[in-house]
Amino acid sequence: QVQLQESGPGLVKPSETLSLTCTVSNGSISGFYWSWIRQSPGKGLEWIGYIYHSGITNYNPSLKRRFAISIDRSNNQFSLRLTSVTAADTAVYYCARGKGGSYPFDHWGQGTPVTVSS
Amino acid sequence: SYVLTQPPSVSVAPGMTARITCGGNNIGSKSVHWYQQRPGQAPVLVIYYDSDRPSGIPERFSGSNSGNTATLTISRIEAGDEADYYCQVWDTSSDSWVFGGGTKLTVL
Repeated sequence: QVQLQESGPGLVKPSETLSLTCTVSNGSISGFYWSWIRQSPGKGLEWIGYIYHSGITNYNPSLKRRFAISIDRSNNQFSLRLTSVTAADTAVYYCARGKGGSYPFDHWGQGTPVTVSS
Repeated sequence: SYVLTQPPSVSVAPGMTARITCGGNNIGSKSVHWYQQRPGQAPVLVIYYDSDRPSGIPERFSGSNSGNTATLTISRIEAGDEADYYCQVWDTSSDSWVFGGGTKLTVL
């Protein structure tokens, strides 16, 4: 059973850059689409973007272009980078696996909470 | 961008049937997925491609999709079904995933 595990700093200061990593275990990172989703406190799910194993990315057009997703195939990891964070970026960040097109997210990480505060 | 509309809350007594709707413009032409999120946990896929159930999901969970409304139906409601439920579609016009706002299911 493939497992996803997010890791990150937990606390970030306003205007700084947030970096999160999702480690994929018990399965290959190749052949799949890897997404980041976030959930602000008490709110719903918001898709941030995905990266294909080849490195092709696609982002939520409703979000400002502060996000960047990258992939490290040698370590079975993919990462999210968010610049110039504000309090509005406080959320639980999830990583998830898809197969492209309209295929759903069949595996999710447990989520990592991020607080933006000075 | 494409918008999915869910009722904020649905309440149902144990043993009864809950129906959670997801409205969208001609949503019947899209594939709809449903996720269950219990408090403090990650979402879990419960219905995909409108009406298919992943392995391990009870037969009490079913889905349908037609016209402008998709519906998640949970029969013989149990206390453990209390959770937030989200619908999701792939919007080809914006090449992006869209989630509904979520519905909190309360078991009375």
